[in-house]
This record gives sequence, structure tokens and C-alpha cells, in this order.
Amino acid sequence: DAEITQSPRHKITETGRQVTLACHQTWNHNNMFWYRQDLGHGLRLIHYSYGVQDTNKGEVSDGYSVSRSNTEDLPLTLESAASSQTSVYFCASSPHGNEQFFGPGTRLTVL
Amino acid sequence: EDQVTQSPEALRLQEGESSSLNCSYTVSGLRGLFWYRQDPGKGPEFLFTLYSAGEEKEKERLKATLTKKESFLHITAPKPEDSATYLCAAKTQGGSEKLVFGKGTKLTVNP
Repeated sequence: DAEITQSPRHKITETGRQVTLACHQTWNHNNMFWYRQDLGHGLRLIHYSYGVQDTNKGEVSDGYSVSRSNTEDLPLTLESAASSQTSVYFCASSPHGNEQFFGPGTRLTVL
Repeated sequence: EDQVTQSPEALRLQEGESSSLNCSYTVSGLRGLFWYRQDPGKGPEFLFTLYSAGEEKEKERLKATLTKKESFLHITAPKPEDSATYLCAAKTQGGSEKLVFGKGTKLTVNP
């Protein structure tokens, strides 16, 4: 069955380190999204992509970057991790015009 | 600024006690209103999409409705397994595939 996976599921890192969270989908969807979810804020969009080589900033993009070199993957990089980036991160994908399907999430702790 | 507001933040029901969750939106042209269910430690799971006022969709004990200003998720004779956080999200005009999420309603159904 087609699916969307995220790795790692849990990550603990130190302030200042570079961290990359992986997202892989096998639906061949053009659209991919990264969100963070925090108590009191709900899901907030970090970056998104409508296809290979396309990336766009969301509402909370500072300190994060993404690259899209193929249809299946959209890795999220934290350039220099900060304690404020401790959160649960969700990746999602969708075909054009339709609902988004979410991955299981990555819980990131920055010490 | 596009906004989606859900109420109440939390709702406790007895098994079999029907109720409704509210999602009000102020967006620049609605292109779709989405409902998701999220269980603890998991990613949001897609439930419904509504596109126009007056539209209704049903799945088991859940029925989603849409007006020009808000959407309701009606839960009929809920069971403990319906306990989850329910999220709504709006897709706005402009050709963007982005979703604006509300903060969710945490539903607890006691046996």
C-alpha cells in the first residue's frame, strides 16, 4: 500500500546542531508539506513544495530549510537547532486540489 | 488574515450523548473545508472535505455540515473509541494548496 513515512520518530539533539528530518511518500503526490504542532498553536506550516525543485516558505519558516530533488522525498533541515524548535513535526502530501495525508510525526527535543 | 477557530477547546460526553463541534472561518474565499481526526501520538487522519454551503457528508456516527461562515461536526451516539482531537482546516482562494488549521477540539467520550 502507498504510504507516507517519517524518520526518525524521536530525536534528541543539542542547541546549535544541524538536524535533518526525513519524509518519504509513495503516492507519487506532487504536493508536500511540513508542519509543526505545539500546544496552544495547532498545526503551523513551515515549508511546502508543489513539485521537484519547487520550495516555498510557510508561516514559521525561519531557521528551517527544505529541498525537493525527487517526487518522493522532502527532507526538513534545522540549520542550527534552538530550544524553541522543540516540537512535533508532521509531513503531509496531497495530489493537486485534494486533501492532505499526514505522516506519523517526529518528536524533536532540542536541549 | 485568514483564520479558523474551533470551539469548544475540549468536550466531555457520556457514551450515547450526541453533540456538535464548531469550526468558524474567516478566509478570503473558501475552496474547501477539511475535517481531520488526530489520536494521541499519531498524525491527523482525513475525515471529510466540504466545498459549498449546504453540503453534508457522513461517516458512521459523524456528520459534517457547512454554512457560509462555519462548519459543524455532529457526533451521534458517540462511543469511547470516538475520543480524539478533531481538527478543521480551510483552503482559501488564490490557487494555493495550503491549509489554515484551527487549534482543534479534544473530545473525550466516557463509557
